[in-house]
Amino acid sequence: DAKTTQPNSMESNEEEPVHLPCNHSTISGTDYIHWYRQLPSQGPEYVIHGLTSNVNNRMASLAIAEDRKSSTLILHRATLRDAAVYYCILNTGTASKLTFGTGTRLQVTL
Amino acid sequence: GAVVSQHPSRVICKSGTSVKIECRSLDFQATTMFWYRQFPKQSLMLMATSNEGSKATYEQGVEKDKFLINHASLTLSTLTVTSAHPEDSSFYICSAPLLGTGGNFGYTFGSGTRLTVV
Repeated sequence: DAKTTQPNSMESNEEEPVHLPCNHSTISGTDYIHWYRQLPSQGPEYVIHGLTSNVNNRMASLAIAEDRKSSTLILHRATLRDAAVYYCILNTGTASKLTFGTGTRLQVTL
Repeated sequence: GAVVSQHPSRVICKSGTSVKIECRSLDFQATTMFWYRQFPKQSLMLMATSNEGSKATYEQGVEKDKFLINHASLTLSTLTVTSAHPEDSSFYICSAPLLGTGGNFGYTFGSGTRLTVV
């Protein structure tokens, strides 16, 4: 599986935008970029995923670099409930397994 | 949205006993289910992949005779931790891909089971 690299932790103030980066320089043409987040003592939660074009949903936006070697998850207005570990994972567009890295722990402060 | 219901959320058992964890897919059919284990302050580690009607595929280092997986229907997959020991204490999570005519629409996860073996 192609690997991703994320910062271990990031901090944000509440109601400010947050940009969570992810590097995936060995991404293949068939790899989708998935983002999940895990709140304490809960199972992970789907956030967003994309292939080449930027994606938006009610939770976040995903900005994908033109060469696809990096991407950024954008939370437009962070809230305290967004404090979680965010995982960037590459996955083919099938039912293949998700391999979790260490993710980015996001802290949101007042 | 598609949900995987996981039970129990917490269980405490004595060493040497077995514990069964259930994951049910609600409103969709889960032909594939992934089982993960997560130790404190660590990431999720894939244990095995179960497919409905066939034998599970275990990751390297995971004992198939200790972690029994059954996926007998399209809506139910179970993980049984047999002869549990304190080192099996962990957070167990199931996950299923959401598939459709457009391909993979992401994965949904159970809420997890906190197993404590005493």
